[in-house]
Amino acid sequence: ETGVTQTPRHLVMGMTNKKSLKCEQHLGHNAMYWYKQSAKKPLELMFVYSLEERVENNSVPSRFSPECPNSSHLFLHLHTLQPEDSALYLCASSQAMGAGAYGYTFGSGTRLTVV
Amino acid sequence: KQEVTQIPAALSVPEGENLVLNCSFTDSAIYNLQWFRQDPGKGLTSLLLIQSSQREQTSGRLNASLDKSSGRSTLYIAASQPGDSATYLCAASRNQGGKLIFGQGTELSVKP
Repeated sequence: ETGVTQTPRHLVMGMTNKKSLKCEQHLGHNAMYWYKQSAKKPLELMFVYSLEERVENNSVPSRFSPECPNSSHLFLHLHTLQPEDSALYLCASSQAMGAGAYGYTFGSGTRLTVV
Repeated sequence: KQEVTQIPAALSVPEGENLVLNCSFTDSAIYNLQWFRQDPGKGLTSLLLIQSSQREQTSGRLNASLDKSSGRSTLYIAASQPGDSATYLCAASRNQGGKLIFGQGTELSVKP
C-alpha cells in the first residue's frame, strides 16, 4: 500500500445505479485529486481539492460529483453513468502548501465497469 | 497549455540492456517532474521526483534527468530485468499541489 487507499477495487454498475468511490490518505497531505484513465489514453485530471476546497473541476459531467469532507478523505459519487465512463479511476494526494519537495502519491485505483 | 509527450510508445529489450525512456514537455515553467511506473490494471507507483532546480535524481538502477531549457526529461534504467516490465509515465506540474499533466506512457517489455 502506498498510503493512499481506494475502495472498492472493482465496481460493476448499471446506468441507473448510484454508487460512490472512496479514497483515504494517511500521509498528512492537504491536496487530493481524482484522475480518470481510459484505455490507450493519458490520465485525465477530473477534480482537485486543496485544503478541502475544490480548486479545479476539469469540465467533468455532472453525473460525477466529488466530495471532500476532510483532508484525509475524498469521495466520487456516481449516478446515471454511461458505458463510456468505464475506466480506471485513480485517487492521488500531495502536499499543496508548506515546505518540502513532495510528489504525488497514487492509490491502486477503482476499476469501474458500466453496463 | 502544457503538453507532455513520451517516446517511444512501446519498447522491447532483452534482459540486461541499459535503456533510456524519453519525455518532452512544451512549457518549461514547471515546478517538478515525476516518473511513475504502472503495472497492468494497477495504480501508479512513484519512481523519481525531480524539482525544477535539480538536474537529476537517482534511485538504485534508475536515474532521471531534467533539462528545462530543452523541455526534456529522460529515465535511464540500468541492467534491465524482466521485473521492470511495465508502463512508465512521466508527468509535469506547474506549481506545488497543482495538477499533473501526464504523457501517454512508454510500455516496456524486458525479455528473459
